[in-house]
Amino acid sequence: EIVMTQSPATLSVSPGERATLSCRASQSVSSNLTWYQQKPGQAPRLLIYGASTRATGIPARFSGSGSGTEFTLTISSLHSEDFAVYYCQQYNNWPRYTFGQGTKLEI
Amino acid sequence: QVQLVESGGGVVQPGRSLRLSCAASGFTFSSYAMHWVRQAPGKGLEWVGVIWYDGSNKYYADSVKGRFTMSRDNSKNTLYLQMNSLRAEDTAVYYCARDRGYCSSIKCHYAMDVWGQGTTVTVSS
Repeated sequence: EIVMTQSPATLSVSPGERATLSCRASQSVSSNLTWYQQKPGQAPRLLIYGASTRATGIPARFSGSGSGTEFTLTISSLHSEDFAVYYCQQYNNWPRYTFGQGTKLEI
Repeated sequence: QVQLVESGGGVVQPGRSLRLSCAASGFTFSSYAMHWVRQAPGKGLEWVGVIWYDGSNKYYADSVKGRFTMSRDNSKNTLYLQMNSLRAEDTAVYYCARDRGYCSSIKCHYAMDVWGQGTTVTVSS
């Protein structure tokens, strides 16, 4: 089973600052990685697939990078609505998916 | 608009059964594989299982294999999750989600692009 590990567990930043979230896979998942955003009381929202392709309607301040075992989600200039929990998820063994434990982005 | 609406959650005693439903609208339900994902209180997301667009294939997480069964009725645009032998650790919000393939000439990428609002299952005596 592929294990996804996200760091840090919590990231404290201020609006307007840059946020960098990390995700590591226990074995290579190539570019088969997705990022989701989840706000309290809401369902997850698709942000990025293929490690770096933004989903429809996702602002350009969100960017993803990486391949193999190391991945990064960067939010270039934080807006107030970006404070949420972010999950990475691998689909290298599609259709079985595995999530990371999440990174909480807080003010 | 594209929408998924879960129902059927509630409080159930350990060892009992419950069936969840997920009603789809706004898209051709029969063309998509569908997933169930759950989230225990205060915890992260856990993939539960997936069913092929036509119901021909199903895959489950080890934590629910042999106890949970996914099915679908494409004539009713509805996805189901039959949960048997429920345990306290099955307590969670259960989401259904659409599997979307983003394909080029080189390869396909996959994601869960549409999610329902979730239904809460509490297993407690």
